[in-house]
Amino acid sequence: EVQLVESGGGLVQPGGSLRLSCTASGFTFSDYWMSWVRQAPGKGLEGVANIKQDGSEKYYVDSVKGRFTISRDNAKNSLYLQMNSLRAEDTAVYYCTRPLSTVTTVSEYWGQGTLVTVSS
Amino acid sequence: SYEMTQPPSVSVSPGQTASITCSGDKLGDKYVSWYQQKPGQSPVLVIYQDRKRPSGIPERFSGSNSGNTATLTISGTQAMDEADYYCQTWDSSAVVFGGGTKVTVL
Repeated sequence: EVQLVESGGGLVQPGGSLRLSCTASGFTFSDYWMSWVRQAPGKGLEGVANIKQDGSEKYYVDSVKGRFTISRDNAKNSLYLQMNSLRAEDTAVYYCTRPLSTVTTVSEYWGQGTLVTVSS
Repeated sequence: SYEMTQPPSVSVSPGQTASITCSGDKLGDKYVSWYQQKPGQSPVLVIYQDRKRPSGIPERFSGSNSGNTATLTISGTQAMDEADYYCQTWDSSAVVFGGGTKVTVL
């Protein structure tokens, strides 16, 4: 059974940093692109970042470029999102997602999400 | 940046057909996916590559995409289909979601 478990969310002050983790199980992690998607309270979905199987390609939404870094450790079956210079508008539930196959990036599996709150 | 527009809400009677549109420039040239999200839950993929259904998704969910508009159709809508629905595509390696449509089954 595919499982994605996010952790690392919490309350942080504006300008602060946070590192999210996603631990994957039930599949060969290194075979898949992985993504982070977020959802602000009461709002819609927003793709944040995604990373190729070997980490050689990474893509970010414009609003987080230069502040967020996506990475992965295939030996630990883990995906990460380092978030720096956090702003109030980064407040959201952050989901880790896996595609439905190794040759696509369409997110089929989603974690339960971890809440990040940026507030003073 | 690429944008997709969805109606904020759609209402449908039980057993009837609900159609949810997603509009974007030359959207028909891209692949579109659709997600269902119920309150307090993570999204669920219901359609990918315009019209394909993942395993476990009922046949009453179907999709199409042509010109500037993609459409998710729910035939024989059930009360359990009441949820928010989001279209999604890719543009220049960026994931793009529509604003979402709340489907209410009256």
